[in-house]
Amino acid sequence: EAQVTQNPRYLITVTGKKLTVTCSQNMNHEYMSWYRQDPGLGLRQIYYSMNVEVTDKGDVPEGYKVSRKEKRNFPLILESPSPNQTSLYFCASSDGSHAGAYEQYFGPGTRLTVT
Amino acid sequence: EDQVTQSPEALRLQEGESSSLNCSYTVSGLRGLFWYRQDPGKGPEFLFTLYSAGEEKEKERLKATLTKKESFLHITAPKPEDSATYLCAGSNSGYALNFGKGTSLLVTP
Repeated sequence: EAQVTQNPRYLITVTGKKLTVTCSQNMNHEYMSWYRQDPGLGLRQIYYSMNVEVTDKGDVPEGYKVSRKEKRNFPLILESPSPNQTSLYFCASSDGSHAGAYEQYFGPGTRLTVT
Repeated sequence: EDQVTQSPEALRLQEGESSSLNCSYTVSGLRGLFWYRQDPGKGPEFLFTLYSAGEEKEKERLKATLTKKESFLHITAPKPEDSATYLCAGSNSGYALNFGKGTSLLVTP
């Protein structure tokens, strides 16, 4: 089954404790992206990657890191999480098959709470 | 600044009562307008992509249309299972999506 998977699905952690949220897709997609979703603010893009070793900042990259060493994986790293990073996080991927605009397929989400 | 604005924020319909959701955008050089459906606690599910003014796409009870400044998602004879939040997003790069805040739709029996 074609899908985007994220782990963990739920995470409660404390301020400053480094964490990684994994994202994997089995569709051989070149493009992957991370979003956060907050009440009243909607979905905002954190980082995206157009291919292996190619990443770029989205609208809200502060406090986050990413890496793309393999095509299927795109982990999100919070080196020193703070309470304002409490949010619902989504990973997405796209195959870029449509010239100019690419529909993205989303994972199930990771609910992160930083205390 | 690129913006996507959706209205209304919330909509309550009786089963069978058709209506439309609006998405207005100021994305310069729009290369694609996307509609997604999101159920509570789940990831957005792709519905449609529209590329140029005048384009229309349909799927079951949903029909999406695009003009030069806005897009509409028409829901014909909705059923309770159509209850969800509907998200609109615009892209001028093909890679970065600007999402609206969504319309929360509730369809009652």
